[in-house]
Amino acid sequence: KAGVTQTPRYLIKTRGQQVTLSCSPISGHRSVSWYQQTPGQGLQFLFEYFSETQRNKGNFPGRFSGRQFSNSRSEMNVSTLELGDSALYLCASSLAPGTNEKLFFGSGTQLSVL
Amino acid sequence: GQQLNQSPQSMFIQEGEDVSMNCTSSSIFNTWLWYKQDPGEGPVLLIALYKAGELTSNGRLTAQFGITRKDSFLNISASIPSDVGIYFCAGLGATNKLIFGTGTLLAVQP
Repeated sequence: KAGVTQTPRYLIKTRGQQVTLSCSPISGHRSVSWYQQTPGQGLQFLFEYFSETQRNKGNFPGRFSGRQFSNSRSEMNVSTLELGDSALYLCASSLAPGTNEKLFFGSGTQLSVL
Repeated sequence: GQQLNQSPQSMFIQEGEDVSMNCTSSSIFNTWLWYKQDPGEGPVLLIALYKAGELTSNGRLTAQFGITRKDSFLNISASIPSDVGIYFCAGLGATNKLIFGTGTLLAVQP
């Protein structure tokens, strides 16, 4: 059974650009969560999607958005990139909301903003 | 953003030694989780705890859910080189958002 797949693995952008990251959950998992990981702030929750609807949201500005498709695949978008957005973005999937204790993480997308 | 206090920040030990780390919070959690993250990878779940006072083992790993529901502990016995990595605790409360600890970097010298 394939794990959580995130693409791309690495990305380099410049300030002001926008970026889209992709996540394919484990087959059968319908809930997808996104996290930002930085050395200073650790792992911070961005948002969670289930059935194409955002179910939960962290404390991030509106520049961070996401969506989920009918096949449970998810994308997150960051617009008007800032230097501080440089981070490892992790996607995690679980069977359904409320099953966060069974979260499975992908390998992440390492975003560098220059 | 909110983070749990995890200590120690880092540990440098010899192979064969036992390791202890803990996590504390000002909030009560219903579930405590322990993850390990290898370089360049996402966190992998090691142990899940669901009840105050619960003690659970996974091989050489043992974790406990604190009685106050505000803390948790992870012990690794007889460490080996592949135990190297960053260990995170995470708490799940009423908001259903996972709150992660600041991480403990473990280095094991053969």
